Amino acid sequence: EPEVTQTPSHQVTQMGQEVILRCVPISNHLYFYWYRQILGQKVEFLVSFYNNEISEKSEIFDDQFSVERPDGSNFTLKIRSTKLEDSAMYFCASSDGGTANTGELFFGEGSRLTVL
Amino acid sequence: AQSVTQPDIHITVSEGASLELRCNYSYGATPYLFWYVQSPGQGLQLLLKYFSGDTLVQGIKGFEAEFKRSQSSFNLRKPSVHWSDAAEYFCAVGAVQAGTALIFGKGTTLSVSS
Repeated sequence: EPEVTQTPSHQVTQMGQEVILRCVPISNHLYFYWYRQILGQKVEFLVSFYNNEISEKSEIFDDQFSVERPDGSNFTLKIRSTKLEDSAMYFCASSDGGTANTGELFFGEGSRLTVL
Repeated sequence: AQSVTQPDIHITVSEGASLELRCNYSYGATPYLFWYVQSPGQGLQLLLKYFSGDTLVQGIKGFEAEFKRSQSSFNLRKPSVHWSDAAEYFCAVGAVQAGTALIFGKGTTLSVSS
């Protein structure tokens, strides 16, 4: 069964460092997303991406964040200068969005980011 | 404002007993409704979804949910809980249009006692 894969599973970084989280969405999906979950809190939407541009973003997704689809398979989230409060589990997701769109998102297993 | 409320933070159920997890939503457009489950250290797995039609939807692992538009609710149920059902459960609402954000509730942690 096709799945969304994320790397790394866990990253520890120093405050102020740049971090790149990587995702390989399901191959025929058109929409890509990043969500985050701070420990003990709810899952929060960060950004959605379609046709090589951001289609929607939340207030959380400020100038410190960027997303990119550098090639035909990867989808990355970059945090330019990490802060302590960026420590969270980051989930990548993808959805079909085509004629068979059902709104269903398929999530990866997450990348845990710890900022020290 | 768009929101999802899961009133129960933590529920403990005996193995074999029935389960109901509550979810209420506030959403301006026609909602798509979802229940996801997250086991410790794992990602989010879709249990079931509602788009239209029959308001009682069946999902994986024996779960079902009922959409009640008049109550803005989408409660999750299971007639007989298994120890392996212990996990965190998230209700989410989204729009028909692809690419829009899913709004998640804060989750309900289910513990199963023997």
